[in-house]
This record gives sequence, C-alpha cells and structure tokens, in this order.
Amino acid sequence: NAGVTQTPKFQVLKTGQSMTLQCAQDMNHEYMSWYRQDPGMGLRLIHYSVGAGITDQGEVPNGYNVSRSTTEDFPLRLLSAAPSQTSVYFCASSYSPAQPSQETQYFGPGTRLLVL
Amino acid sequence: AQKVTQAQTEISVVEKEDVTLDCVYETRDTTYYLFWYKQPPSGELVFLIRRNSFDEQNEISGRYSWNFQKSTSSFNFTITASQVVDSAVYFCALSEGGGKLIFGQGTELSVKP
Repeated sequence: NAGVTQTPKFQVLKTGQSMTLQCAQDMNHEYMSWYRQDPGMGLRLIHYSVGAGITDQGEVPNGYNVSRSTTEDFPLRLLSAAPSQTSVYFCASSYSPAQPSQETQYFGPGTRLLVL
Repeated sequence: AQKVTQAQTEISVVEKEDVTLDCVYETRDTTYYLFWYKQPPSGELVFLIRRNSFDEQNEISGRYSWNFQKSTSSFNFTITASQVVDSAVYFCALSEGGGKLIFGQGTELSVKP
C-alpha cells in the first residue's frame, strides 16, 4: 500500500493563479481531510469528507474548494491564490468501521506552497 | 468549543534526560479521541498513539508513556531517556469523530548530545 499520497511536493504560484493539490489514498478509507500548517499555529482543518459525494467546511475554508467523486481521491482547489495561502498542506485519511474507536488519521507527506 | 493547548512551545534537554510534553484539552462531548503525532525535521506527520475518552488507562510503549487524566483534561506524553532522534515537533490533537482533528500548537523538542 502506498498509503496517502500528495502531489506536487512543492509549488510556487503567483497571486491570482489557480491550482489543484492532489490527494489519493489506497486504504479504502471513508474519511479524508485537508489541513494547512502555519508556523506557531499547528494544523488547521480546511475541508473534510466523510465519503464520496459528501464534503463539509472546516475551520479555515475560505479560498479553497473540494469535491470527492471517488473514495480514493480528494483534491483541494485554490481558485485565486493569495500570499496568505502560503503554507504547508497536509491531506489525511482515516477508516470508519463499525467501531469508531478505531479511527486514526494517517497523513500524506505534505505539499509546500509558496504564493508570490 | 473544542480546543487543545500545548503550553510548552520549545523544550531543550540533554540526551538521556526524561521529558514530559503537556497537553490540555477542552470539549463538551463525552465521547472523544486524543492523539499524539510526531513531526521530525523531514516534515512528515507520524502517528504515535490514540486514546479513547472511555479508556483512562495509561500506556507505555518502549521509552514512550502517556498519562491520560479526564479529571484535569490532560493527556501528557513522557519520553524516558531521551535520544537525539527524538528531536521533533510533537502535536497533541483531539477528535470527536468524523475525520476531523483539532491540533495544539505543537511543542518543539530539541535533544542535545
């Protein structure tokens, strides 16, 4: 199993450009989520999904869109990049079996984004 | 509202010292989950432990141990006989389910030889 994969690893954008951060998992996890990590602020939830076709906003959703058409993929779209979106982005997935106590989030390697 | 506080921003110890990382959480739910993750200098997030709110047993895994106390809403992490390879940022996190984690700000641990 590859686990959770993210592409690209690093990206530089100009203000106003759009792009999509890719996230895929091969563990058949039901839950997937996106976080951003900024210095001194830990990780903050951007959007999350509890299954294909279902998404919802997290703590910091503005400027980002998501969709989940398959169980495996959960792309994050920046519609018009701003310098405030310079950050490290992590995708995570977790399993939701009949026993919710087994839920543990596993993270991808991260995407480092610089918006100029 | 949910909240996780890691009051220690940075800790520096000398190798072989014991070190405790503090984590205090706030939640209104009676069922929740607590986690610790390690982020080494390479940047990935490594899962260390999950604790369910209904299980207050302390846990030991090698040099790592965790002390969960619901009465004080704390979930502290102790590294015994620290090593240079333990140098990393450690995050405590809280979940009420549904694939959402609330993270603390992180504690940067530096273990010097």
